[in-house]
Amino acid sequence: GEDVEQSLFLSVREGDSSVINCTYTDSSSTYLYWYKQEPGAGLQLLTYIFSNMDMKQDQRLTVLLNKKDKHLSLRIADTQTGDSAIYFCAETFQSGNTPLVFGKGTRLSVIA
Amino acid sequence: DAGITQSPRYKITETGRQVTLMCHQTWSHSYMFWYRQDLGHGLRLIYYSAAADITDKGEVPDGYVVSRSKTENFPLTLESATRSQTSVYFCASSELSGDTQYFGPGTRLTVL
Repeated sequence: GEDVEQSLFLSVREGDSSVINCTYTDSSSTYLYWYKQEPGAGLQLLTYIFSNMDMKQDQRLTVLLNKKDKHLSLRIADTQTGDSAIYFCAETFQSGNTPLVFGKGTRLSVIA
Repeated sequence: DAGITQSPRYKITETGRQVTLMCHQTWSHSYMFWYRQDLGHGLRLIYYSAAADITDKGEVPDGYVVSRSKTENFPLTLESATRSQTSVYFCASSELSGDTQYFGPGTRLTVL
């Protein structure tokens, strides 16, 4: 069945790079998403990558996709205290008729 | 206001009472979703709806009822609340099932 795995916690120092990892099981995934949840708020779309891409960069964010290993990562350069949040990866499937499958989320703590 | 809203934002109720959580979106998105978020479980899908009058069970539907008489509204009812239903509930909407989902701010429900 579909499953998305993430480590639960990550702690980094302000100014360092953060790398949040995610593994998924379904090779037919078409889009893979990263969502950010700040304290007391709902999830907000951060970025996404189409399955035929290896990398996507958007300002401080870099998404890497290794389809062979079914591994997705989100790198945040120059991590700031405002980046402290829970980050969820999610996958969708070719049919488009299946809801997104979310990982359990990685809590990123940025130490000043 | 455009977007997706949830009400109430906070609710305290007692075991056995009926509670309805409201969700309203202004985008005319076809799909709407209800999730619950609990420590250690991440986001779990309760129910979703592909269109008015079409609903489907998610991962954890027991104890919940949904309806979708209008495209813009997707209320979630707990017919007889239990302590295990204490959680934060998020509503989301999307144009397609596997498309980007837009989340509401959440409802924190406590069942005493």
